[in-house]
Amino acid sequence: EAGVVQSPRYKIIEKKQPVAFWCNPISGHNTLYWYLQNLGQGPELLIRYENEEAVDDSQLPKDRFSAERLKGVDSTLKIQPAELGDSAVYLCASSLGQTGGETQYFGPGTRLLVL
Amino acid sequence: AQKITQTQPGMFVQEKEAVTLDCTYDTSDQSYGLFWYKQPSSGEMIFLIYQGSYDEQNATEGRYSLNFQKARKSANLVISASQLGDSAMYFCAMREDPSGAAGNKLTFGGGTRVLVKP
Repeated sequence: EAGVVQSPRYKIIEKKQPVAFWCNPISGHNTLYWYLQNLGQGPELLIRYENEEAVDDSQLPKDRFSAERLKGVDSTLKIQPAELGDSAVYLCASSLGQTGGETQYFGPGTRLLVL
Repeated sequence: AQKITQTQPGMFVQEKEAVTLDCTYDTSDQSYGLFWYKQPSSGEMIFLIYQGSYDEQNATEGRYSLNFQKARKSANLVISASQLGDSAMYFCAMREDPSGAAGNKLTFGGGTRVLVKP
């Protein structure tokens, strides 16, 4: 069974440029998460989707970050414009659904460097 | 206050020996779950083991076991017979009551870097 797929794996951009990350969850997983991981720290949740609905986006900086999950499968996270402090790893994870007890499975992440 | 605390930033372990990674947590929920993930240099977070707050027995998965002490609010990971491939960052994470406001959100600790010496 294929795991969570993310692309690109690495991205280098100049500040003020836009950037987008793509995630394809494990087949059949209804819940999708985007996490931000700063260097030397644990991941922090940005947004959680149940199917197409964003049910928790309280940690998403909405002035520059946006996300969508059309058709309840793939998801895209966008930053516009990027700032130096956005340099980090962006992790996508998925789980079966919000019935409790489901393990979240992570993708390899996208490592972003903003110059 | 930190919800998940990992007090060991880094540690060395000799190949074939066991190592214990500490994790303490803070929650007022009765129902919660504790997870351990491994993150090698490639970056992917690999699920290792899960312990539910109502589980009476400590979880085990192959060479991984979780020493769950509910009264102390600790969930230490034990890796037995360490291998060179175990060198990685290890994160403890907690999911609080999924029916509450946090839903299925995971809160992670700061991680412990393990280096296995041959």
